[in-house]
Amino acid sequence: EDQVTQSPEALRLQEGESSSLNCSYTVSGLRGLFWYRQDPGKGPEFLFTLYSAGEEKEKERLKATLTKKESFLHITAPKPEDSATYLCAVQEETSGSRLTFGEGTQLTVNP
Amino acid sequence: GAGVSQTPSNKVTEKGKYVELRCDPISGHTALYWYRQSLGQGPEFLIYFQGTGAADDSGLPNDRFFAVRPEGSVSTLKIQRTERGDSAVYLCASSLRRGQPQHFGDGTRLSIL
Repeated sequence: EDQVTQSPEALRLQEGESSSLNCSYTVSGLRGLFWYRQDPGKGPEFLFTLYSAGEEKEKERLKATLTKKESFLHITAPKPEDSATYLCAVQEETSGSRLTFGEGTQLTVNP
Repeated sequence: GAGVSQTPSNKVTEKGKYVELRCDPISGHTALYWYRQSLGQGPEFLIYFQGTGAADDSGLPNDRFFAVRPEGSVSTLKIQRTERGDSAVYLCASSLRRGQPQHFGDGTRLSIL
């Protein structure tokens, strides 16, 4: 059974204080690992897909990396508008459809 | 362009009633997914449609839950004899093809009294 564990559950940062979120996963064969951002009362917003170990993707202040067991979402010099819940999900090779999500990391960036 | 649209945004009903939740996917997306999200949890997979057919319904919790997509576009999730434990946010997502990134709507918040 696919499993995704995210840490920490919650993270408070000061504006400009860089940090990383962790996503550890267990899957029989990884088709893709997905990062989403979710604001209160909204649906998850797609950020990145990573397909193979060593791959990196960047978007503004965010950079996602992937190894065979985990993924990191690095946030450089965050701003208050980066405050949200960040969700990680894996897609298994054989199904290629369903996403298995972690419980998310709630990020708060204080001005 | 327009994103995934879900209606209603909120639904409050009594235990034992029947409810229908609607999802209008992004135009041209052949794959459609339903998830359920409880407070403080990540979304949990329910069912996946490829075109008109349910390709994977293994996430449906029991036979009170049913979903259709008769013309390969709009989908309806149907819940019979609702229970208080069905209260959650029901999310719909669509993707261009199987395996492509899934784009979510803002969900229907279902409350069973």
